[in-house]
Amino acid sequence: AQKVTQAQTEISVVEKEDVTLDCVYETRDTTYYLFWYKQPPSGELVFLIRRNSFDEQNEISGRYSWNFQKSTSSFNFTITASQVVDSAVYFCALSEASTPVSEKLVFGKGTKLTVNP
Amino acid sequence: EPEVTQTPSHQVTQMGQEVILRCVPISNHLYFYWYRQILGQKVEFLVSFYNNEISEKSEIFDDQFSVERPDGSNFTLKIRSTKLEDSAMYFCASSEVIDRGEYEQYFGPGTRLTVT
Repeated sequence: AQKVTQAQTEISVVEKEDVTLDCVYETRDTTYYLFWYKQPPSGELVFLIRRNSFDEQNEISGRYSWNFQKSTSSFNFTITASQVVDSAVYFCALSEASTPVSEKLVFGKGTKLTVNP
Repeated sequence: EPEVTQTPSHQVTQMGQEVILRCVPISNHLYFYWYRQILGQKVEFLVSFYNNEISEKSEIFDDQFSVERPDGSNFTLKIRSTKLEDSAMYFCASSEVIDRGEYEQYFGPGTRLTVT
């Protein structure tokens, strides 16, 4: 069965600090997809990144970077030089290739990040 | 940029009443989903829909729930007889093509359902 664990319920940092959000997943599939979504206080879900299980290259997008390690089943997300606008709940999600065509997403419980000025 | 829209943004209803939540997916998308998020909790999959039929549903999606694509543009979620525990944010999502990983689900802004 697929499962996503985000052990950090809440994190509070001061602006300009770097912060890493942890995500550990479980799946029996060899082909799967990992995602990060941001949920700001306004409530919508904003797509940040998609990564497939065959691509272990780390990715950097501006102040955001992602570290995918299959050996530890982790897909961690780092925000460099955090800003107040980064305050949100961040969700990690998993989709298995062997599920029916629906490609449903299984979400972790989320990490609430508060960036203080 | 095209986006998924949902109406209403907030719906208040009494226990036992029927509600219909509406979504307009992105126009060339073929796969549609409903998820829900109870306040402060994680986002949970309810159902997926393709080619005018349900392709997968979760254990949450019991006989009280139904989905429909009545007119080729709208995608609706109906709850026949609401319970207090149905109070949640309901998200609609759509995706273009299921090409194993080469897609993303675009989420709507959500409808907050409050059952009193």
